[in-house]
Amino acid sequence: QVQLQESGPGLVKPSETLSLTCTVSGGSISSNYWSWIRQPPGKGLEWIGYLYYSGSTNYNPSLTSRVTISVDTSKNQFSLKLSSVTAADTAVYYCARHGVGSSMDVWGQGTTVTVSS
Amino acid sequence: DIQMTQSPSSLSASVGDRVTITCRASQSISNYLNWYQQKPGKAPNLLIYVASTLQSGVPSRFSGSGSGTDFTLTISSLQPEDFATYYCQQSYSTPWTFGQGTKVEIK
Repeated sequence: QVQLQESGPGLVKPSETLSLTCTVSGGSISSNYWSWIRQPPGKGLEWIGYLYYSGSTNYNPSLTSRVTISVDTSKNQFSLKLSSVTAADTAVYYCARHGVGSSMDVWGQGTTVTVSS
Repeated sequence: DIQMTQSPSSLSASVGDRVTITCRASQSISNYLNWYQQKPGKAPNLLIYVASTLQSGVPSRFSGSGSGTDFTLTISSLQPEDFATYYCQQSYSTPWTFGQGTKVEIK
């Protein structure tokens, strides 16, 4: 079955760019939509944006000026870049696959990113 | 953005209890409503999609209903492994938004 694994630095300095990768295994990244979601410590879930394997994207307006989601079909991966980070961007970041009705039916285990100098 | 409001924010219940969680959308979302369960330190797990369809592998004690703006998640007989936080999410229009969560605790 499809599995997702997030990877990237766990610590990012303020004003720098957060970069994460989600590797898809057990299936192809093609023909699906894929999302990034985050969860600040002790808080709820926030959808960051999604990508279609063809490269088209849709971002949360609250983050759109700072977010880029891209795909590398040759590596079966998609990536998140979030620029000009602050402490408010400290969170667990999840990648997920879209299922029926744009539900998110497969999730990665999550990776914790802390923004601190 | 569509606002999703869950109630209650937390509840205490005993094993075997029937539990109902409500989710209200700030505008009609048809049946584009999904429910997730999250345990501490784990990723959310999809329980119900498009308001009432049980995700494969999810126990039948979970059920969902509703359309338009008002939705419910029901656990017919609470089991020890069901103590967790539950989130609703609308997928009617972007940005996708989640409710604030309902924490189900042991009484």
